[in-house]
Amino acid sequence: KAGVTQTPRYLIKTRGQQVTLSCSPISGHRSVSWYQQTPGQGLQFLFEYFSETQRNKGNFPGRFSGRQFSNSRSEMNVSTLELGDSALYLCASRAEETQYFGPGTRLLVL
Amino acid sequence: QKEVEQDPGPLSVPEGAIVSLNCTYSNSAFQYFMWYRQYSRKGPELLMYTYSSGNKEDGRFTAQVDKSSKYISLFIRDSQPSDSATYLCAMKDTGFQKLVFGTGTRLLVSP
Repeated sequence: KAGVTQTPRYLIKTRGQQVTLSCSPISGHRSVSWYQQTPGQGLQFLFEYFSETQRNKGNFPGRFSGRQFSNSRSEMNVSTLELGDSALYLCASRAEETQYFGPGTRLLVL
Repeated sequence: QKEVEQDPGPLSVPEGAIVSLNCTYSNSAFQYFMWYRQYSRKGPELLMYTYSSGNKEDGRFTAQVDKSSKYISLFIRDSQPSDSATYLCAMKDTGFQKLVFGTGTRLLVSP
């Protein structure tokens, strides 16, 4: 089976812009979670989607949002980008209690 | 205090050494425990997954969970230079899919 894919892999934006990141889970997996990884805070949970519904949300501002489509693919959107949003954004595909991560999208906000 | 504590290292060992990596946690609701390996500029790769207390072995890797002490460990036998990476512990409770991660321990295995 192909693993989790994320696009784009790298992105440079400026403050105030918005960005959309995409994730395709492992075939057959219906749950997708998003995490932010920074050197200072480590890996932090953003939200989880299952069958197109957001089931859990982490402690992030409303500028961070997401959605899931009927084919289980998911997108994450960050509006009004801030310098502190520079991070590796990771998507995880879930089978039962196990999560498998994609390669991530590295976002740099200038 | 963080829910999951992990020594950031770096931990430097010679090739062939036995490596011990550890995490402590405070939330007694955690039931599922995982170890991920992350190479530089890559996503985390699942190494080991354990439910509740006990040991689990997979090749050169052994995971141990002691829920009474809120302490988990990963042992790597016959360490190789290719094991050089950051090792992240992660855990979650039942029915809630948020993984809580340690900060990661950077491991360096020298030839």
